[in-house]
Amino acid sequence: KNQVEQSPQSLIILEGKNCTLQCNYTVSPFSNLRWYKQDTGRGPVSLTIMTFSENTKSNGRYTATLDADTKQSSLHITASQLSDSASYICVVSARGSDSSYKLIFGSGTRLLVRP
Amino acid sequence: DAGVIQSPRHEVTEMGQEVTLRCKPISGHDYLFWYRQTMMRGLELLIYFNNNVPIDDSGMPEDRFSAKMPNASFSTLKIQPSEPRDSAVYFCASAPSGWNTQYFGPGTRLTVL
Repeated sequence: KNQVEQSPQSLIILEGKNCTLQCNYTVSPFSNLRWYKQDTGRGPVSLTIMTFSENTKSNGRYTATLDADTKQSSLHITASQLSDSASYICVVSARGSDSSYKLIFGSGTRLLVRP
Repeated sequence: DAGVIQSPRHEVTEMGQEVTLRCKPISGHDYLFWYRQTMMRGLELLIYFNNNVPIDDSGMPEDRFSAKMPNASFSTLKIQPSEPRDSAVYFCASAPSGWNTQYFGPGTRLTVL
């Protein structure tokens, strides 16, 4: 069964600290993995997208890693800011035999950055 | 570019009524997606279009849900009749090609009483 599990469910950190969010998946055949940031009341915004051959990708203070062997991904946030408070969603896509795509969503990690 | 535009932003209706949600994708984007988000189920893909043609509607929960894309700049998601369990935020997203980065609209918050 295709599944994406994220941990922790929620996280509170102090401004300026680093943090790492986890995403484990059992999706086959794997196509790509995305991390989205969703501010309260807004639509998700793409942070990174990685294919099978990529093991790290950065977007400013956000760095995503992918280990296709262990089927794990992490999102590392450096020097957190108050504006990083949001939900972070991991999404894995699987490519079907008919070239269609399926998206499997994680339930998200809710991050709160305190001053 | 104004980004993906959705209307209305909020909709409150009574059970049994028809609801129509609207989306204008980013100009030039070939793919359009409809999502639903609830606290219980998170984000779910309902249907997606490629060049105005529905490709995969396996995420549409019931026959009460239907989606159309009559042209490259407009899509609708219709619920008829609506039920309280349809209450959710509905997002529309578009992508330039394939399954590249998707750009989400602000969402429509639907409340069915």
